[in-house]
Amino acid sequence: AQSVAQPEDQVNVAEGNPLTVKCTYSVSGNPYLFWYVQYPNRGLQFLLKYITGDNLVKGSYGFEAEFNKSQTSFHLKKPSALVSDSALYFCAVRDREGGNKLTFGGGTRVLVKP
Amino acid sequence: DGGITQSPKYLFRKEGQNVTLSCEQNLNHDAMYWYRQDPGQGLRLIYYSQIVNDFQKGDIAEGYSVSREKKESFPLTVTSAQKNPTAFYLCASSPQTGGYNSPLHFGNGTRLTVT
Repeated sequence: AQSVAQPEDQVNVAEGNPLTVKCTYSVSGNPYLFWYVQYPNRGLQFLLKYITGDNLVKGSYGFEAEFNKSQTSFHLKKPSALVSDSALYFCAVRDREGGNKLTFGGGTRVLVKP
Repeated sequence: DGGITQSPKYLFRKEGQNVTLSCEQNLNHDAMYWYRQDPGQGLRLIYYSQIVNDFQKGDIAEGYSVSREKKESFPLTVTSAQKNPTAFYLCASSPQTGGYNSPLHFGNGTRLTVT
């Protein structure tokens, strides 16, 4: 069975500082990996995905993520956080051999303080 | 503008009543999904459909039912058999059947409160 772990319930960072949101995954085959962001009382918005190729993936709003196969991780990063980045972030995985099911982590709340 | 519309945004029901949540998409997507979101638990898959007139149970299908009579619509019924129905319900779609690298597009959710 596939699974995703986001070990931090909340990340606090000062505006202008680097932001990292951690994600590790477990799948039986090769993964498709995704990051989404959710603002209060809204649906999830897609940020970026890893399918194959370069381990560093660039996405929307200045976010990027690094795929590390040996550590089974896909951490989300932003070099300089903005107050408007405060939101709930979800990592998700699909197993290429496991069908169309997308499994989400429990989410990490990011709070960027001015 | 294309997108996914969930209605209503807020829904209140008495315990023991069935309630149906609406989800409509005009993105021409084949696959549609229903997720339930509870605080601290992330999203859990209730049902999904990859094609009209076909759907599969997700991880927490008990107490829920769906239909997929039209490509654009995937309504979710929360029945009285669902033990803890109060939650935020999210509908999503993806562009192609078997397109596992396609991200999901989400609606803005329906917050259901059952008392």
